[in-house]
Amino acid sequence: KAGVTQTPRYLIKTRGQQVTLSCSPISGHRSVSWYQQTPGQGLQFLFEYFSETQRNKGNFPGRFSGRQFSNSRSEMNVSTLELGDSALYLCASSTPISGNTYNEQFFGPGTRLTVL
Amino acid sequence: GNSVTQMEGPVTLSEEAFLTINCTYTATGYPSLFWYVQYPGEGLQLLLKATKADDKGSNKGFEATYRKETTSFHLEKGSVQVSDSAVYFCALTSTDSWGKLQFGAGTQVVVTP
Repeated sequence: KAGVTQTPRYLIKTRGQQVTLSCSPISGHRSVSWYQQTPGQGLQFLFEYFSETQRNKGNFPGRFSGRQFSNSRSEMNVSTLELGDSALYLCASSTPISGNTYNEQFFGPGTRLTVL
Repeated sequence: GNSVTQMEGPVTLSEEAFLTINCTYTATGYPSLFWYVQYPGEGLQLLLKATKADDKGSNKGFEATYRKETTSFHLEKGSVQVSDSAVYFCALTSTDSWGKLQFGAGTQVVVTP
């Protein structure tokens, strides 16, 4: 079974531009979560989508947005890029199960965004 | 809110040494606990998990036990190899934040021959 794929793997943008990152989850997974990883702040949760609906959102400005399509693929968009948005953006997918037990999240390789 | 605290690194060990990485948490609801590992230039890989109190997760010689009374999930390995050099992250998710992993800061482990 193919893993989580993210495209592109590397991006270089300039301040003020916008960027769209793509994530294809593992087949059959309906939940997609996004994280930002930086040396200073570590791994921070951006948002999570399930069946095309955003269920959870982290503490990021409105410049960060996302969406999920009917095939569970997800995109995140960052508008008006700032230098501080330079980071590794990780996508993860999972399948929910009932009760108090959660399936683990499977991560993609990430998209390395550099803002100049 | 939920939070995870893990020991700071880097942790430098010789091959075949014993490894312990401490992890403690605060959480509402009923958390599930995870250890993820990140090798240079790669995404995160799940190392092991535990979904309820007293569960022991294990994989590739690594173990961690979910201790509700001490709110801890310490990672251990009896004999490390050079290939275990990586950054290790403790994480949790809970009933009130499904789909959101709360991570610790990560601990870099360096194993020398």
